[in-house]
Amino acid sequence: NAGVTQTPKFQVLKTGQSMTLQCAQDMNHNSMYWYRQDPGMGLRLIYYSASEGTTDKGEVPNGYNVSRLNKREFSLRLESAAPSQTSVYFCASSEATPGLAGTQYFGPGTRLLVL
Amino acid sequence: RKEVEQDPGPFNVPEGATVAFNCTYSNSASQSFFWYRQDCRKEPKLLMSVYSSGNEDGRFTAQLNRASQYISLLIRDSKLSDSATYLCVVNPNNNDMRFGAGTRLTVKP
Repeated sequence: NAGVTQTPKFQVLKTGQSMTLQCAQDMNHNSMYWYRQDPGMGLRLIYYSASEGTTDKGEVPNGYNVSRLNKREFSLRLESAAPSQTSVYFCASSEATPGLAGTQYFGPGTRLLVL
Repeated sequence: RKEVEQDPGPFNVPEGATVAFNCTYSNSASQSFFWYRQDCRKEPKLLMSVYSSGNEDGRFTAQLNRASQYISLLIRDSKLSDSATYLCVVNPNNNDMRFGAGTRLTVKP
């Protein structure tokens, strides 16, 4: 049982390049999330998926797209990377039933640097 | 104003000390509240949920004051292993989580 896994762990991009961050969970959770974490800002929700086939915008969706490929996998795509997207990206999953929404399980994170 | 505000610290305390963190939130409709712990360069992990009546888990006690819209975390008998950043998390609805920027704690021998 690996929990939540993310690839890659580190990535350096040039401005304008594109990339996809991968996330997978093996806990049979319905909900999955993408966050970014910047110094002094806390984690901010980019997109979430309440169930397979659905996605919704979070607090900071601009510049990102997501795909809920199946129940296990939720990917985040940067179409044209900008230096402002330099951050640590965390994927998370949860059961998201009333009272349990807060029990989110996080992946180890992807550290992205955009030059 | 941030939706969830925490004192960033750092709090530097000796082993065995009692330390308390507070967190305020702006959305009065928030339903669920949590404390997460994040070690340096690691992912956040759930420490404990915060219930209206207050709750305790070993050396950790969490309190919620809905009227004043703040949450607190008390750590008794601090251990070196308690050194981490503590994140206050507020859940306005099932699929939206708002994180505070965190309070950094260092416990020294």
